Amino acid sequence: GAVVSQHPSWVICKSGTSVKIECRSLDFQATTMFWYRQFPKQSLMLMATSNEGSKATYEQGVEKDKFLINHASLTLSTLTVTSAHPEDSSFYICSARDGTGPEKLFFGSGTQLSVL
Amino acid sequence: DAKTTQPPSMDCAEGRAANLPCNHSTISGNEYVYWYRQIHSQGPQYIIHGLKNNETNEMASLIITEDRKSSTLILPHATLRDTAVYYCIVRVGGVRGNTPLVFGKGTRLSVIA
Repeated sequence: GAVVSQHPSWVICKSGTSVKIECRSLDFQATTMFWYRQFPKQSLMLMATSNEGSKATYEQGVEKDKFLINHASLTLSTLTVTSAHPEDSSFYICSARDGTGPEKLFFGSGTQLSVL
Repeated sequence: DAKTTQPPSMDCAEGRAANLPCNHSTISGNEYVYWYRQIHSQGPQYIIHGLKNNETNEMASLIITEDRKSSTLILPHATLRDTAVYYCIVRVGGVRGNTPLVFGKGTRLSVIA
């Protein structure tokens, strides 16, 4: 099946710094990617929809200036957590749709962010 | 909000079939039923999806009732590695399938030796 690669798998950073997370579709083109976050023992929560070549669409309550999304190519979307704080510590997961095949969405392996 | 209802947890003996139910009574005609699972600290893994007919693949079988208001995911011979949270999701598919998956709380399946 289609592969979505997410990097890094985990990151520890100091409060106030910025962290960039990459999401790549390895063997298909993804015009749309989705970003989720997941707190411990909770379900995945959709943060934003990333469209290639246009601005991302953010879910209610998600700060667009804090969570910067760039989708500059058909195989890469990035999420930058700016001025990270401990409450941003979470598991971040990206997803992409393989538009050439059945209507399936594939997920990256996730990034565990810990802000000290 | 998620449009499905699942039991919060289930146990299954290793080697036996695991039958995970899902209610989606408000499903629309163009919405598919998707099943994903998430093993601890990993991204969700696609299992199977269907529209009206029952489906089977190498991982599982999906049984959808005739009125499409409920479905059952069947893992025919559960192993310890099948222990995970299983999510049943309804979503518009086909050419309009650029919508995200909206996750509910899922069912935590524990396979017991």
